[in-house]
Amino acid sequence: DIQMTQSPSSVSASVGDRVTITCRASQGISNWLAWYQQTPGKAPKLLIYAASSLQSGIPSRFSGSGSGTDFTLTISSLQPEDFATYFCQQTNSFPRLTFGGGTTVEIK
Amino acid sequence: EVQLVESGGGLVQPGGSLRLSCAASGITVSSNYMNWVRQAPGKGLEWVSVIYSGGTTYYADSVKGRFTISRDNSKNTLYLQMNSLRAEDTAVYFCARDLSNRGVDYWGQGTLVTVSS
Repeated sequence: DIQMTQSPSSVSASVGDRVTITCRASQGISNWLAWYQQTPGKAPKLLIYAASSLQSGIPSRFSGSGSGTDFTLTISSLQPEDFATYFCQQTNSFPRLTFGGGTTVEIK
Repeated sequence: EVQLVESGGGLVQPGGSLRLSCAASGITVSSNYMNWVRQAPGKGLEWVSVIYSGGTTYYADSVKGRFTISRDNSKNTLYLQMNSLRAEDTAVYFCARDLSNRGVDYWGQGTLVTVSS
């Protein structure tokens, strides 16, 4: 099975900061990676698919990049509603979805 | 508007059974790839099972042989029959629509399953 490793596990940041989260796959997955945002008590929300495609309705301050084994999610200017946990997910070895361990963005 | 509403969670003893339901509106369950994904308290997301539009099913190794995914087309509802439950099955269970390489775009609000004596 493909393993997904996220780093860091948590990051402290302030409103307006640029935040970058990394996700590494244990083997190449082309660009088949998605990113999700989850706030406490809520379901995950799809932000990015195919590594860099912005899901409809998601603000443009979110962007994704990468291919192969290394991927990043960037929030260009952190907003109060962005404090949440972010998960990556490989969509290459469908149907067995694999998620990263999550990165929590906390208020500094 | 798409809505996925899970129900059926609760407290069950180890070795017991539970059936989760996911009632869909705004999408047709039988025309989509539908997943169950779970999240143990304070932990990450774990894929559990998927049913393809054609009816093919897949399971995570951790639940294979104990859980069964199914759907009722007339009720537009997805199910997860969970047998031989273990403490490690304790989690919030989400149903979700899968767009394959385009990610999982619609999720229910989740239903909590607690396995404890």
